[in-house]
Amino acid sequence: QVQLQESGPGLVKPSQTLSLTCTVSGDSVSNAGYYWSWVRQHPGKGLEWIGYIFYSGRTYYNPSLKSRVTILADTSKNQLSLKVNSVTAADTAVYYCARQVHLGDLALRWWGQGTLVTVSS
Amino acid sequence: DIQMTQSPSTLSASVGDRVTITCRASQSVSSWLAWYQQKPGKAPNLLIYKTSSLESGVPSRFSGSGSGTEFTLTISSLQPDDFATYYCQQYNNYQGTFGQGTKVEIK
Repeated sequence: QVQLQESGPGLVKPSQTLSLTCTVSGDSVSNAGYYWSWVRQHPGKGLEWIGYIFYSGRTYYNPSLKSRVTILADTSKNQLSLKVNSVTAADTAVYYCARQVHLGDLALRWWGQGTLVTVSS
Repeated sequence: DIQMTQSPSTLSASVGDRVTITCRASQSVSSWLAWYQQKPGKAPNLLIYKTSSLESGVPSRFSGSGSGTEFTLTISSLQPDDFATYYCQQYNNYQGTFGQGTKVEIK
């Protein structure tokens, strides 16, 4: 059973950097062949894919966010991280981390419960 | 970038109804299409992956079909637990665009 838990500040000031951590249990972020994802959801709105990180560290980002987003994996802590630079109110959202359903298919089966980040001064 | 368009945005139906939700891609995504169910305050739940593969534990009343640019999610007989919002997601070529969602409401 894969479990994911997002954590981080619930309030970030405009122009600062949003930093979140996803702690993984029941699996390893270095497990060969697996992709890990971040997805966000603006309040009352739909889902927005942010990006993937492969077990090797290779990343793929949503083109609309690519210039401001960094996804990393810390294998020693079995954690993922997400950083979004230069945030504005438009980055206020619930942020989820997730893992693919199985090798060879990137549909997202395992999700964290999400963490709300509000961007406000 | 691939855009995903779901229809309808809102659907009113009764228990026992057959329900179909459509998802169209702006270009071919092959068979790399998933469907999720989301209830308020909860993370999305994977129902269908690779167009038509039913995720383990998901009731068989859910089914998916399509290919290329047009896909459908069908609920054969709507149950009370199915009132929720449904999202499609394409994940072709290491991108993961979601549709805007379809809210299934009680008629």
